[in-house]
Amino acid sequence: SQQGEEDPQALSIQEGENATMNCSYKTSINNLQWYRQNSGRGLVHLILIRSNEREKHSGRLRVTLDTSKKSSSLLITASRAADTASYFCATDTGGGNKLTFGTGTQLKVEL
Amino acid sequence: ETGVTQTPRHLVMGMTNKKSLKCEQHLGHNAMYWYKQSAKKPLELMFVYNFKEQTENNSVPSRFSPECPNSSHLFLHLHTLQPEDSALYLCASSHLVAGGPDIQYFGAGTRLSVL
Repeated sequence: SQQGEEDPQALSIQEGENATMNCSYKTSINNLQWYRQNSGRGLVHLILIRSNEREKHSGRLRVTLDTSKKSSSLLITASRAADTASYFCATDTGGGNKLTFGTGTQLKVEL
Repeated sequence: ETGVTQTPRHLVMGMTNKKSLKCEQHLGHNAMYWYKQSAKKPLELMFVYNFKEQTENNSVPSRFSPECPNSSHLFLHLHTLQPEDSALYLCASSHLVAGGPDIQYFGAGTRLSVL
């Protein structure tokens, strides 16, 4: 499996509900990042969590990191239709110049 | 606007054509990247340039030829492509400092179709 695998692959929820996406990875990391991609567009950086952090918040986003399990989760609270996008985790091993992205979770938020 | 501009946004080319993709970043970053994104596959890193020097070439076929004339501009020259090269090509840039995180800023991509 890939470094940085998200699950579920697809998620459909109603507006106002919370969305949780998970990411698992294989090697030691310096930090883990989450990116969002709207259909056919580039990726946009959302949030970064360092290897010595366990939880981080940014607006309606909450990220957790468990380095012992090599996993991270992204929680989007009170989702909106505008949150419909693909979400990717990316691991940064600190070697410089190289993020490794997963396959992404496609989130659909319905009105 | 992310500060990274890619042109063209869409490109259709035949297998015998030669074309180039262009990327420009207005963020003062020192590293630039080319990625290939195909349906249901992870983002594939193709090339990395750090201070105009190529630091990574991920076993990319020679029909893809990158060029980085300065830290703000990156090109991907294409020739004799195959239909399986059809994908979204993304350019990204970042400001790399020793020990710092690599946060990348992406362009909107070029949707390439090879007929």
